Amino acid sequence: DAKTTQPPSMDCAEGRAANLPCNHSTISGNEYVYWYRQIHSQGPQYIIHGLKNNETNEMASLIITEDRKSSTLILPHATLRDTAVYYCIVRAILTGGGNKLTFGTGTQLKVEL
Amino acid sequence: DGGITQSPKYLFRKEGQNVTLSCEQNLNHDAMYWYRQDPGQGLRLIYYSQIVNDFQKGDIAEGYSVSREKKESFPLTVTSAQKNPTAFYLCASSDRVRDTQYFGPGTRLTVL
Repeated sequence: DAKTTQPPSMDCAEGRAANLPCNHSTISGNEYVYWYRQIHSQGPQYIIHGLKNNETNEMASLIITEDRKSSTLILPHATLRDTAVYYCIVRAILTGGGNKLTFGTGTQLKVEL
Repeated sequence: DGGITQSPKYLFRKEGQNVTLSCEQNLNHDAMYWYRQDPGQGLRLIYYSQIVNDFQKGDIAEGYSVSREKKESFPLTVTSAQKNPTAFYLCASSDRVRDTQYFGPGTRLTVL
């Protein structure tokens, strides 16, 4: 499974953009990058995913470098409710179908007033 | 209201007892998964199932068992053979088209 590296923690002021980096230098050509977040004692919440191109949805934007060795999740206007652990994951395909998400320890984002 | 439900939210058991955690989804997803999370750690895959009556071991299947008799349900049994059963257990499901996993709220199991 491709390994990901994220900073353990980041702070962001409310209303400002939060840019969360992730390195995945061993990613294969057909592996997707997924982002989830987990608020304390809840199940992980899907945010966004991408393969090569930049992606945007109602929650966030995902910027993937041209060589696909790193990516950045952008929360354009962070609020206090965005305080959570953010996981960057390279999805592996399981034998027989389906996919496996290998969660590391993620980045603890703290949004402050 | 579509989603994944896990019950109960908190569960306490005595050491040596088997316990079954429930996971139900009404999203019509084919695949279902069980993960375990320990404090300050990421999630680890226990078992997964792509279709009814079929399931596969994940990375840490020892001491656990599952069944998939219905598409909507994927119960996990934590047996007395599991050395450190106290953890947060998460169930997820995905469909064949989008292949994105969606998670339930989790069950926190404490073995006394």
